[in-house]
Amino acid sequence: KAGVTQTPRYLIKTRGQQVTLSCSPISGHRSVSWYQQTPGQGLQFLFEYFSETQRNKGNFPGRFSGRQFSNSRSEMNVSTLELGDSALYLCASSSGSGHSYEQYFGPGTRLTVT
Amino acid sequence: GDSVTQMEGPVTLSEEAFLTINCTYTATGYPSLFWYVQYPGEGLQLLLKATKADDKGSNKGFEATYRKETTSFHLEKGSVQVSDSAVYFCALSDQASNTGKLIFGQGTTLQVKP
Repeated sequence: KAGVTQTPRYLIKTRGQQVTLSCSPISGHRSVSWYQQTPGQGLQFLFEYFSETQRNKGNFPGRFSGRQFSNSRSEMNVSTLELGDSALYLCASSSGSGHSYEQYFGPGTRLTVT
Repeated sequence: GDSVTQMEGPVTLSEEAFLTINCTYTATGYPSLFWYVQYPGEGLQLLLKATKADDKGSNKGFEATYRKETTSFHLEKGSVQVSDSAVYFCALSDQASNTGKLIFGQGTTLQVKP
């Protein structure tokens, strides 16, 4: 079974621009979660989608948004980029949406904002 | 809110030494507990999990036991190898929302020297 894939792997953007990241979950998985990883804040939850519905959202500004398509692929968008948005963005997929389900992570997208 | 605390790193060991990485948590209810490992330049890999008190998760020689009385989930390995060098994250699931949201500790870097 193919793992979680994320595209692109690396991105360089300028402050004020917007960016869209993509995540393809493991086949058959209906839940996709997004996390931001930075050296200072560690791993922080952004949001989770299950069957095209956002089920949970972390404490991030409205500039961070996401969506999920009918094939379970997910995208996250960050508008009006700030220097502090530079991070590794990880997505994780799961077969179900509940606290006991295992989550499988992709390799991440490294976003650098200059 | 729920939280996870891990021992400060880096932890430096010689090959074949015994490893313990401490993890304690604060949570309402009975979350599931996880250990993830991150190798340089990669995403997170699920190492092991436990879903209820006294459960022992194990994988690749690593073990951790869900201790409700001490709210701990310490990671252990009897004999580490150089290839175990990585960052280890303890995490709990957010049972209150019953979604896939994970709350992570700050990570512990393990360096194993030949």
